[in-house]
Amino acid sequence: GAGVSQSPSNKVTEKGKDVELRCDPISGHTALYWYRQSLGQGLEFLIYFQGNSAPDKSGLPSDRFSAERTGGSVSTLTIQRTQQEDSAVYLCASSLGYLGNQPQHFGDGTRLSIL
Amino acid sequence: AQSVTQPDIHITVSEGASLELRCNYSYGATPYLFWYVQSPGQGLQLLLKYFSGDTLVQGIKGFEAEFKRSQSSFNLRKPSVHWSDAAEYFCAVGPTSGTYKYIFGTGTRLKVLA
Repeated sequence: GAGVSQSPSNKVTEKGKDVELRCDPISGHTALYWYRQSLGQGLEFLIYFQGNSAPDKSGLPSDRFSAERTGGSVSTLTIQRTQQEDSAVYLCASSLGYLGNQPQHFGDGTRLSIL
Repeated sequence: AQSVTQPDIHITVSEGASLELRCNYSYGATPYLFWYVQSPGQGLQLLLKYFSGDTLVQGIKGFEAEFKRSQSSFNLRKPSVHWSDAAEYFCAVGPTSGTYKYIFGTGTRLKVLA
């Protein structure tokens, strides 16, 4: 498809399990962002990838969170030993670059529920 | 540091009424400004953007926004609201020189009364 694709759309798992969330950005977009959106809240920046540069992981809330981007395209966000406070919608966005005049294009998100 | 403020958490309007959603930013120069809309269960969709030039910008779905440098504002407007406009609206500032983070406001949830 032409847009940002995220999978799964919904994920329910038990506390303590690991989860992987996938983001497939728009072809040709070099910048990729992950955000977390808790119920009724704004967007919390998690991590940023730009081309082959080292990612900015400064927004990751704990060392249970990690992300990678293979081949400058698909990205996976992994949460280990999930906790109930990890329940949120995880949004991925891509853009042509990191210049300010490049709008972000968002996927529909993964709604994560930790039981 | 850059910041974006959306002072209204919730707004309720009647269908057919006009709408204005407020956004104030903090930045020394002219920022790159965006408005996004998020319908339930979906990601954010770009409504419009401002970079330079004409301070009144038109977007999709009949929305427009006006950049006012003197007030550090970028308010979103629509002359006649439709029930399908009920959603959450986010104002954002794009990355400036030396950064790459977009700064989002906390959002305004719009309810439309029939």
